[in-house]
Amino acid sequence: EDQVTQSPEALRLQEGESSSLNCSYTVSGLRGLFWYRQDPGKGPEFLFTLYSAGEEKEKERLKATLTKKESFLHITAPKPEDSATYLCAVRGNRLAFGKGNQVVVIP
Amino acid sequence: EAQVTQNPRYLITVTGKKLTVTCSQNMNHEYMSWYRQDPGLGLRQIYYSMNVEVTDKGDVPEGYKVSRKEKRNFPLILESPSPNQTSLYFCASSVGVGETQYFGPGTRLLVL
Repeated sequence: EDQVTQSPEALRLQEGESSSLNCSYTVSGLRGLFWYRQDPGKGPEFLFTLYSAGEEKEKERLKATLTKKESFLHITAPKPEDSATYLCAVRGNRLAFGKGNQVVVIP
Repeated sequence: EAQVTQNPRYLITVTGKKLTVTCSQNMNHEYMSWYRQDPGLGLRQIYYSMNVEVTDKGDVPEGYKVSRKEKRNFPLILESPSPNQTSLYFCASSVGVGETQYFGPGTRLLVL
């Protein structure tokens, strides 16, 4: 069964304090790993898609990496506007979402 | 502007009163899907559609129906809503299966 586990569940960061979010997965034949950002009460907003181990993608202060068992979302020098819940999803035989990493960046 | 729209955005209803939540996309996407999001459980797929007239069950289909008569629309139907269907619902679309999904703004449903 395809499964996704995200850690930590919640994270409080000082502005400028870099950190990483983890997404561990088990899937039968990875067909894509997706990162989304979700603000309270809003729909998930697409960030990145990764397809193979070793792949990396960047957007502003965010960088996503992928290995055969996990993905990391690195947040470099975060700002308060980076506060959100970050969702990881994997596509194997089905699309499975993790429960999210809730990030709060304190000014 | 490319987008997925849902209506209504907020809905309060009573047990047993049939309701429909509409979903429409203007990106000519083949694949559409409905999710519900509950605290501590994350996003769970209710139903999906790979093309017009092709729909299939997701992980939590009980109590829901869908139809896909047109490519752009994918309504979610609750024939007899119950309180355990109180949730935040999202519609999503993508070019195809396994491709990046784009989500609507959500519909918050309260069933009394």
